[in-house]
Amino acid sequence: ELKVEQNPLFLSMQEGKNYTIYCNYSTTSDRLYWYRQDPGKSLESLFVLLSNGAVKQEGRLMASLDTKARLSTLHITAAVHDLSATYFCAVHLLGYKYIFGTGTRLKVLA
Amino acid sequence: DADVTQTPRNRITKTGKRIMLECSQTKGHDRMYWYRQDPGLGLRLIYYSFDVKDINKGEISDGYSVSRQAQAKFSLSLESAIPNQTALYFCATSDFDSYNEQFFGPGTRLTVL
Repeated sequence: ELKVEQNPLFLSMQEGKNYTIYCNYSTTSDRLYWYRQDPGKSLESLFVLLSNGAVKQEGRLMASLDTKARLSTLHITAAVHDLSATYFCAVHLLGYKYIFGTGTRLKVLA
Repeated sequence: DADVTQTPRNRITKTGKRIMLECSQTKGHDRMYWYRQDPGLGLRLIYYSFDVKDINKGEISDGYSVSRQAQAKFSLSLESAIPNQTALYFCATSDFDSYNEQFFGPGTRLTVL
């Protein structure tokens, strides 16, 4: 069964701290996406990771992809309150389908 | 104006009623998708379409049907709504030239009583 697992599911962290969200998947995939969702809002694309070893950074967020380990990480550096949201990874499958992880709800405390 | 729009944004209906959710896009993308989101389950793919003549079932298509009326329009229908179809529904588009990065509509919150 194809699975995309994120951990942790919930993360409460202090401002200024660093943390990593993990996305593990159980099938071969050539690309992976990260999205952000604010409460009651739609999903916003953060990163598109296209190959093994890909690393993308935007502000305090950095995403990486290891296709051999079937693992992607989303690293948060010096968290700020504005980063509070739910973060989803999505695995791209042949046939241009996507399987989403269950999401990581991040709360950054002042 | 938003690139991907959905109507209605909120809908309350009764069990057994037929309901249609509509999605329109101005991004010029060929590929369109319908997802539902339930708490703790992430997004699950209902149907997807690569062009007007191509419709494919996703993970959870039972109880749903779709129509791709034009490149820019993709509708989702619930022929006979049931309470466990209460969810948040998202339409999304993507394009090969943008590495199939998906762009989502604002969502439709559907409640089936």
